[in-house]
Amino acid sequence: NAGVTQTPKFRVLKTGQSMTLLCAQDMNHEYMYWYRQDPGMGLRLIHYSVGEGTTAKGEVPDGYNVSRLKKQNFLLGLESAAPSQTSVYFCASSYSISVYEQYFGPGTRLTVT
Amino acid sequence: DQQVKQNSPSLSVQEGRISILNCDYTNSMFDYFLWYKKYPAEGPTFLISISSIKDKNEDGRFTVFLNKSAKHLSLHIVPSQPGDSAVYFCAASAIGTYKYIFGTGTRLKVLA
Repeated sequence: NAGVTQTPKFRVLKTGQSMTLLCAQDMNHEYMYWYRQDPGMGLRLIHYSVGEGTTAKGEVPDGYNVSRLKKQNFLLGLESAAPSQTSVYFCASSYSISVYEQYFGPGTRLTVT
Repeated sequence: DQQVKQNSPSLSVQEGRISILNCDYTNSMFDYFLWYKKYPAEGPTFLISISSIKDKNEDGRFTVFLNKSAKHLSLHIVPSQPGDSAVYFCAASAIGTYKYIFGTGTRLKVLA
């Protein structure tokens, strides 16, 4: 039982390049989330999904797109990376709506130069 | 506007003493609160939660207190251990919103 895994763990991009971050969970959770963590800012919600085939915007969605084609996977895409997207990205999943705790992946450290 | 605030960026406590981490919120619709612990290079892990219908919840060495009138919650760790050294985040949610709002975190250092 791996829990929540994220791929890759580290990545360096040049401005304007694109990439996809993959999140996978094996707990059969309905809800999945993408956060970014920046110094002094805590965790901010980028996008989330309440089930397969559904996505919704969080607090800071600009510059990102997501897809949830399979229940166990949640992809975060950057179409044209900018230095402001340098951050640590965390994926999380939860069994149900907000009264249940979220389980987090180990994070992806992204640097955009 | 920061809806969940942790005003102390860091805290140092001697081993065996009590650690008290504080969190304030502004949104009166929040009705569920959680604390997470985060070690470097790892994702946050769930520690303890409390619903707005309670004012206290205990789990071993960890107790969370909720004061709804003051919009304030606190996490008590007794006794503190060196392994508790980590960053602690509080998070708040309103039922049905599917979203959590996180504070900026407090770095706890427990001195041996």
